[in-house]
Parts: sequence; C-alpha cells; structure tokens
Amino acid sequence: RKEVEQDPGPFNVPEGATVAFNCTYSNSASQSFFWYRQDCRKEPKLLMSVYSSGNEDGRFTAQLNRASQYISLLIRDSKLSDSATYLCVVNRNNNDMRFGAGTRLTVKP
Amino acid sequence: EAQVTQNPRYLITVTGKKLTVTCSQNMNHEYMSWYRQDPGLGLRQIYYSMNVEVTDKGDVPEGYKVSRKEKRNFPLILESPSPNQTSLYFCASIPRGMIGGYTFGSGTRLTVV
Repeated sequence: RKEVEQDPGPFNVPEGATVAFNCTYSNSASQSFFWYRQDCRKEPKLLMSVYSSGNEDGRFTAQLNRASQYISLLIRDSKLSDSATYLCVVNRNNNDMRFGAGTRLTVKP
Repeated sequence: EAQVTQNPRYLITVTGKKLTVTCSQNMNHEYMSWYRQDPGLGLRQIYYSMNVEVTDKGDVPEGYKVSRKEKRNFPLILESPSPNQTSLYFCASIPRGMIGGYTFGSGTRLTVV
C-alpha cells in the first residue's frame, strides 16, 4: 500500500464548478502536509500548506483530518488555468517528504 | 532570479554509458534532493543532502550516486544506466529549518535504450 494515496482522476469539470480532491496517508506520525500543483511536463510548485484548523487562499481551501488521516483540497469557481495535476505531499519529519501520485484536473470551457 | 537549474533537460543514452545530470541552486540552500517521477508512482526520493559533504540515501538509491562538494551543486551520477532508469528526474532545494516549500528544477527527461 502506498504511503500517500490519491484518486488519479481525471476530473473533468466545467468552468465555474467546485471540485474537491481527497488524499489519505498511512503514517500517523506525519507532521506537516502540503498541496503542490504540477503542470504538464513541468516541475511541481507549492500551492499551499495544510493546517489542522483548515486554511484558505482565495478560491482554494485545504483541510486536514488527523484522526482519519486524510487531507482535502477544494477549488471553487474553477478556471481554465486550474487545469493541472495536484500532488498531495506529507512530511514525516526533517523534509522526509512523501508524494502522492497526483490527481489530474481538466477544466473545460 | 532564485532558481534551481538542471541540465540537460532531455537525454537519450544507451545502456551502460555513464552520465551525469547537473543541479545547481543560487539560493544558498542547505538541503538538496533528487527525485524521480514515474507514472502512477509519484515522486520518489533517490538521494538527499543536508549540507556540504553530507549525503544520504532516499527510497530508491540503487544505480545512482551523488556528491555535494559545494553548497550550490548536487550532481546525480548514473555509472551504468539501465532501461529501468528511464524516468523524469527533478532536483529540489530548501533552506535548513524550512519545511515543505521546495524549489524544484525544471526536470530532466532521461531515456535509456
């Protein structure tokens, strides 16, 4: 079983839709959590950190449920430019980072 | 501009021919790491370095070597490449004490035939 599991998708949604991705992790000692975005054939880039209290950055909301060991990302009012692969990342400690395989999102006009 | 620079971007080589992928960062970061990315598997860590002359194995180190003689450079060496090392490779760096906000290089797509 992979340490970080994501639904690979693809998620195909129309512009303006709300879409949510989940991610589960198996190591209960994991300390910090992140969402990265990766455009096709490009490098991953940090989208946002995920805090226990939940956090929001514009149209993006991230949530963490430590008891159930899952992380979520909600995107509201989807834009064409949101089309990308979203990577769930779990940090065990000292930057020992574990990456999910990613969830692919395509936003259509 | 703050960045991680990898070279080459694309490389096709033959089995057994030694190659080096270079990685250089201009941000004075202590921590550097190499990952490979394969479909359905996500990024897997090959080697990492917490500072000059300090390197350690990640999850998939077999068939790879690294060195960290200077803070800015962290080359990845494949002494005898094999087809199962065909992959997309990323170098990343982060300052000591910071968690999670890696800066990645643009990637090297390696094909071993």
